[in-house]
Amino acid sequence: DAGITQSPRHKVTETGTPVTLRCHQTENHRYMYWYRQDPGHGLRLIHYSYGVKDTDKGEVSDGYSVSRSKTEDFLLTLESATSSQTSVYFCAISDGTDTQYFGPGTRLTVL
Amino acid sequence: QKEVEQDPGPLSVPEGAIVSLNCTYSNSAFQYFMWYRQYSRKGPELLMYTYSSGNKEDGRFTAQVDKSSKYISLFIRDSQPSDSATYLCAMSAGSGGGNKLTFGTGTQLKVEL
Repeated sequence: DAGITQSPRHKVTETGTPVTLRCHQTENHRYMYWYRQDPGHGLRLIHYSYGVKDTDKGEVSDGYSVSRSKTEDFLLTLESATSSQTSVYFCAISDGTDTQYFGPGTRLTVL
Repeated sequence: QKEVEQDPGPLSVPEGAIVSLNCTYSNSAFQYFMWYRQYSRKGPELLMYTYSSGNKEDGRFTAQVDKSSKYISLFIRDSQPSDSATYLCAMSAGSGGGNKLTFGTGTQLKVEL
């Protein structure tokens, strides 16, 4: 998985609780992305980062925030989890080309 | 209507068959095209990357882009059971890491013995 780890790999939480997912890379790539994958929708971009402290919204950013204080770490926070945020979350990295490399994913269930 | 359309399958073929996977798109600005393979409960892995129209071959895999028809294909020759996975097409309009990829929903392929 191109030196990308995600934690936790599985999480079950309750509606209304905050949740933070972590993506860690060892490739020193500048760009990092958070996607969610749902049946019938494919991969949809939530947020992305183009450098430390530089982030921007993707197409499904409502209810999510991100932070990047170090090159290697990109955090995704669900401020108050809802059942519609039950999904598989993937982190991806890029070295500045169009190709992105994905992590193993985090399976999140919101009850 | 989605920017990228991909038949979800499932597509079931016998071992050794030639497989054709396809995506259509509506955004004429797309110039960079990728195919990812995703095994069950794993992250997508990059399989093929092409720029603009034309063909690109890598072993048993051939990626084909027809920008005039807004149609891309992935061919798998001599398919193997290990090719059983979901195949995602992806595309972007510009070059560089800041450019966003638009994905198809994926086609599930099963290669049977």
